[in-house]
Amino acid sequence: AQSVAQPEDQVKVAEGNPLTVKCTYSVSGNPYLFWYVQYPNRGLQFLLKYITGDNLVKGSYGFEAEFNKSQTSFHLKKPSALVSDSALYFCAVRDMNTDKLIFGTGTRLQVFP
Amino acid sequence: NAGVTQTPKFQVLKTGQSMTLQCAQDMNHNSMYWYRQDPGMGLRLIYYSASEGTTDKGEVPNGYNVSRLNKREFSLRLESAAPSQTSVYFCASSEALGQGARETQYFGPGTRLLVL
Repeated sequence: AQSVAQPEDQVKVAEGNPLTVKCTYSVSGNPYLFWYVQYPNRGLQFLLKYITGDNLVKGSYGFEAEFNKSQTSFHLKKPSALVSDSALYFCAVRDMNTDKLIFGTGTRLQVFP
Repeated sequence: NAGVTQTPKFQVLKTGQSMTLQCAQDMNHNSMYWYRQDPGMGLRLIYYSASEGTTDKGEVPNGYNVSRLNKREFSLRLESAAPSQTSVYFCASSEALGQGARETQYFGPGTRLLVL
């Protein structure tokens, strides 16, 4: 079965430190991978995606993600966290059988001053 | 562009009541989706419409119906609301379904539904 996992319910980092939000996937074939962010009482906002090409994908708000085929991972990273980055982050993978997105359960990022 | 809009923002229903959640997009997208978001479960697809005139069931369609009214609008109807349908509902749209770079989904602000 095609799936995506976010192993951490919550990540806490200090402002100015690098942050990583983890995502692993299980799909047949080449994956299409996405990261979304959800601020309180808002809808999901698209951050970045990997379809093909360079393993390092750059997205909005200074975020980037690294596609690692051997480890089946697509971790979200930012070199220097901001308090305003505090939000709920979702990883998603396209189900190659149905073309629909499968979302992870989300990781709550808390950046403290 | 307003993007994806949803109405209402918040609704309280009694068990057995019916209601329709409205969604519209102004990005000329072909595909539209309805999700529900529950704590600890991420987003689950209820129904989707790959293109105008078509609708299909997603992961959790029971208790819901949809109508793709035209290219812009995609509504979700609860015929007889149940407490288990208490959730946050999101509408999304994308240029296309299953076509690589065109399938990025854009989300509305959500509707919070409480069924008593």
